[in-house]
Amino acid sequence: SAVISQKPSRDICQRGTSLTIQCQVDSQVTMMFWYRQQPGQSLTLIATANQGSEATYESGFVIDKFPISRPNLTFSTLTVSNMSPEDSSIYLCSVEGFLRAEAFFGQGTRLTVV
Amino acid sequence: DQQVKQNSPSLSVQEGRISILNCDYTNSMFDYFLWYKKYPAEGPTFLISISSIKDKNEDGRFTVFLNKSAKHLSLHIVPSQPGDSAVYFCAASLYTSGTYKYIFGTGTRLKVLA
Repeated sequence: SAVISQKPSRDICQRGTSLTIQCQVDSQVTMMFWYRQQPGQSLTLIATANQGSEATYESGFVIDKFPISRPNLTFSTLTVSNMSPEDSSIYLCSVEGFLRAEAFFGQGTRLTVV
Repeated sequence: DQQVKQNSPSLSVQEGRISILNCDYTNSMFDYFLWYKKYPAEGPTFLISISSIKDKNEDGRFTVFLNKSAKHLSLHIVPSQPGDSAVYFCAASLYTSGTYKYIFGTGTRLKVLA
């Protein structure tokens, strides 16, 4: 299994500011995925980050709000820009496992915007 | 439109008994289904998956059953243990835009009573 480290684990931020979340994987992976879990909701895919190309965003998510970097095969960042209280969520990084239909997650970043 | 639904937000079971967690889906193009367990302040942990061409997959105390005609799957935990107390997410896999994506349900909180 892949070991995924996410930083920070939690943060409380002022509205209007930005936060960058880091995701480090212990092995090289082609695709990295960023999810959001709002309170009481399911995990929702924000975007897919492929090394060497622009991230692919899901409907309802835009690059200006959630810019993503993928500088190499083991690292990615997600920035939550110009934050509002509605951005308060858990943000999760994920990678595919080596077997089909087996995805691994970081421990998540719990973001509270005040 | 919620393509993966977990209609029971919570479930309580006595230790040693069977826990049955249910999940319904709407998209017949899903090719794999997965179950994840999530403890507080941790990321989801992969438990078990099943291909859409199978009707049962077993791994130790965990068995997943798939009823394609009803678009329904269930996770059985036998016997249930207090350490199984967590939130369980059902997820479905769909190949789209050159990659596999996972769509999650809202989760069921399982409490196993000692």
